[in-house]
Amino acid sequence: SAVISQKPSRDICQRGTSLTIQCQVDSQVTMMFWYRQQPGQSLTLIATANQGSEATYESGFVIDKFPISRPNLTFSTLTVSNMSPEDSSIYLCSVEGPPQAGNTIYFGEGSWLTVV
Amino acid sequence: GENVEQHPSTLSVQEGDSAVIKCTYSDSASNYFPWYKQELGKGPQLIIDIRSNVGEKKDQRIAVTLNKTAKHFSLHITETQPEDSAVYFCAASELIQGAQKLVFGQGTRLTINP
Repeated sequence: SAVISQKPSRDICQRGTSLTIQCQVDSQVTMMFWYRQQPGQSLTLIATANQGSEATYESGFVIDKFPISRPNLTFSTLTVSNMSPEDSSIYLCSVEGPPQAGNTIYFGEGSWLTVV
Repeated sequence: GENVEQHPSTLSVQEGDSAVIKCTYSDSASNYFPWYKQELGKGPQLIIDIRSNVGEKKDQRIAVTLNKTAKHFSLHITETQPEDSAVYFCAASELIQGAQKLVFGQGTRLTINP
């Protein structure tokens, strides 16, 4: 399995500011994903980040609000821009393992953001 | 697109008894069905998964069954222990352009009573 590290693990943010979340994986992976989990809710895919190309966003999520970088095969960042209290959520980085391991999806521990 | 329904939303069982959580999905093209356990303050941990070419898979006290015709799959935990208490999520996905995009169920909060 992949070991995924996210920073920050928790933060309290002021309304109107932006925060960048970092995701580091201990092995090279092709696909990285960002999910959002609102308080007490399930997980929703924000976007897919492929190295060397623009991220692909799911319906309801836009690049201006959630810009993503994927500079190499072990690292990605998600920025939550111009935050409002509705952005208070857990943001989760996930990676897809290699085909020989069945394309299994693994998650990091999440970044718990509270917007005040 | 895919829609995954999960039941029940909460489940309470006595220690040592079995627990069953059920999910249905809508897209017949989905071919990968993982189950995750999420403990308080932690990220989701993969506990078992199954692919559409298999009907059942077992790993110690945990088993998953898949009925492709009916489009439903279930998680079975036997001999439950207090450490099994957590929120469990099912998910379904199809490999699209090389990406396994998961659609999650709403989650089941499982409580094991000692």
